[in-house]
Amino acid sequence: DQQVKQNSPSLSVQEGRISILNCDYTNSMFDYFLWYKKYPAEGPTFLISISSIKDKNEDGRFTVFLNKSAKHLSLHIVPSQPGDSAVYFCAATDNFNKFYFGSGTKLNVKP
Amino acid sequence: DTEVTQTPKHLVMGMTNKKSLKCEQHMGHRAMYWYKQKAKKPPELMFVYSYEKLSINESVPSRFSPECPNSSLLNLHLHALQPEDSALYLCASSQGDRISTDTQYFGPGTRLTVL
Repeated sequence: DQQVKQNSPSLSVQEGRISILNCDYTNSMFDYFLWYKKYPAEGPTFLISISSIKDKNEDGRFTVFLNKSAKHLSLHIVPSQPGDSAVYFCAATDNFNKFYFGSGTKLNVKP
Repeated sequence: DTEVTQTPKHLVMGMTNKKSLKCEQHMGHRAMYWYKQKAKKPPELMFVYSYEKLSINESVPSRFSPECPNSSLLNLHLHALQPEDSALYLCASSQGDRISTDTQYFGPGTRLTVL
């Protein structure tokens, strides 16, 4: 049973527009959430994170929103750039030191 | 130095071979991790070392044997692997002892093929 789900396997966005990547989770014990970005043949790169005590965290063009009541988080990229084209993984963790990853969303930013 | 390095980049081995994957970080991080990633799947946690001691073993078969010789190095010894073990093996490290909340920094991975 997958505890972290990314229901959109792919997303295509025009350069300069907003990219919104979504993630849902089922375990209310998760207390920290992370987004990773992965290019082909490379390891995942940490992008941005958020603690469960916050509902928003911003870092440059990247903002993560957390809705605990809906068990939903999203990553907003504004403005989107062609270099943002990659696979984005959402991850969650709880007090038991385990990480749970979503299946990833492939973002394609068209020039 | 803010990177995690892994060697080799690529490895092809037979089912009877013994090989090792190496990972190194010089960021003073206290926790190091091994992940396995199959194509088009998210990374799966295999082992976690905290302060050079194995703290988590995610029910990984004994043909995978981790070793942490010191705080900067993490090895993964491979023996009698199966073709289904072919995958990208990722090493990561994090600062501090709160493994569940510290950001992990990943290496580029070793692409392993078992024939």
